[in-house]
Amino acid sequence: NAGVTQTPKFQVLKTGQSMTLQCAQDMNHNSMYWYRQDPGMGLRLIYYSASEGTTDKGEVPNGYNVSRLNKREFSLRLESAAPSQTSVYFCASSAGGPYWGRAFFGQGTRLTVV
Amino acid sequence: QQQVKQSPQSLIVQKGGISIINCAYENTAFDYFPWYQQFPGKGPALLIAIRPDVSEKKEGRFTISFNKSAKQFSLHIMDSQPGDSATYFCAAVTQGGSEKLVFGKGTKLTVNP
Repeated sequence: NAGVTQTPKFQVLKTGQSMTLQCAQDMNHNSMYWYRQDPGMGLRLIYYSASEGTTDKGEVPNGYNVSRLNKREFSLRLESAAPSQTSVYFCASSAGGPYWGRAFFGQGTRLTVV
Repeated sequence: QQQVKQSPQSLIVQKGGISIINCAYENTAFDYFPWYQQFPGKGPALLIAIRPDVSEKKEGRFTISFNKSAKQFSLHIMDSQPGDSATYFCAAVTQGGSEKLVFGKGTKLTVNP
């Protein structure tokens, strides 16, 4: 039972480079999220997708784009990486509806921008 | 503007002691309050959750107390064990999805043997 799978687990980028973080879930969940975790800042919502075909901005969307490719996959793209985007990124999913707050998280992607 | 305020930032307790983490919120639209536990190098995992129509929920050594009028809720860990050492996040959401799942800044709990 894989749950939520994120790739890659670690990445080092140079300033200005682009990359896409991949996320897939096998729980048939409707809703998917991207969070970033920084020391002392908790988990901050970047983007979320309430259902296949919809996406919406969270608390810190600047510098990011997302694509809900299908019900299973939700990717996060950094078009021009900046050192301020150095963080640990978590993808999560939930069934939505009355289960909106019961999120399942991936193992995270540790991104360093130099 | 932080929607869920959590304290303390860090907490050290002795084995067998009680760990208490507090959270407060402003948005009365929130109707579901989960707590997540995160071990180093792992993603957060749902620990326990409560709805505002209940004042207390207990699961094993973990208890959530909820004060709707004060807009506060807290996590109590009874008989704390070294294996409980982790970062704990409180969170809030509206089940209908009008407000998204938002988190406090986290509390790093260390339980000394």
